[in-house]
Amino acid sequence: AQSVTQLGSHVSVSEGALVLLRCNYSSSVPPYLFWYVQYPNQGLQLLLKYTSAATLVKGINGFEAEFKKSETSFHLTKPSAHMSDAAEYFCAVSVQGAQKLVFGQGTRLTINP
Amino acid sequence: NAGVTQTPKFQVLKTGQSMTLQCAQDMNHNSMYWYRQDPGMGLRLIYYSASEGTTDKGEVPNGYNVSRLNKREFSLRLESAAPSQTSVYFCASSEGGHGTANYGYTFGSGTRLTVV
Repeated sequence: AQSVTQLGSHVSVSEGALVLLRCNYSSSVPPYLFWYVQYPNQGLQLLLKYTSAATLVKGINGFEAEFKKSETSFHLTKPSAHMSDAAEYFCAVSVQGAQKLVFGQGTRLTINP
Repeated sequence: NAGVTQTPKFQVLKTGQSMTLQCAQDMNHNSMYWYRQDPGMGLRLIYYSASEGTTDKGEVPNGYNVSRLNKREFSLRLESAAPSQTSVYFCASSEGGHGTANYGYTFGSGTRLTVV
């Protein structure tokens, strides 16, 4: 069975600083990995996904994530935080043939002016 | 392209009342899902439907029933609402063939339900 661990339920950074949200997965077979963003009072939107092509995946709004098999990680980064990035972020994993995603607990990102 | 549409957006119920949350997708997706989101609990899967005519329990199915009416629609019913069912409910769909979720989900905007 697959699982996802997001390190840090709350992350706070200053505007203009690097954003790093951590996600580690567990899977016995090659995974598919996803990052979703949820703005206040909205549904979840797909930020980016890794499906066994390039290990560095670029998403919307300047975010990117790197798949590192040796570290079983898929951390989300953005070089310079904007106030509009304040949201909750969810990492999720699936595998070939799986019928559903497995989500992490989420990380709430706060941006300080 | 509407994507996944959920109705209603807000609802207040009294304990013991019943209601049905509606979800429809216009992307010809095979799989559909119902999640609830509670503070500190992340997303928890209630039920899912890998294809038209099939439904399966998720992590927290007690107190809920579902119907996959056709390929587009997947409804969630609360037969006798309880305060513990106060939550935000999300419907999602996935385009994966044979009911798989490899391509990820498209989510609706949610239904905020309060049971008093």
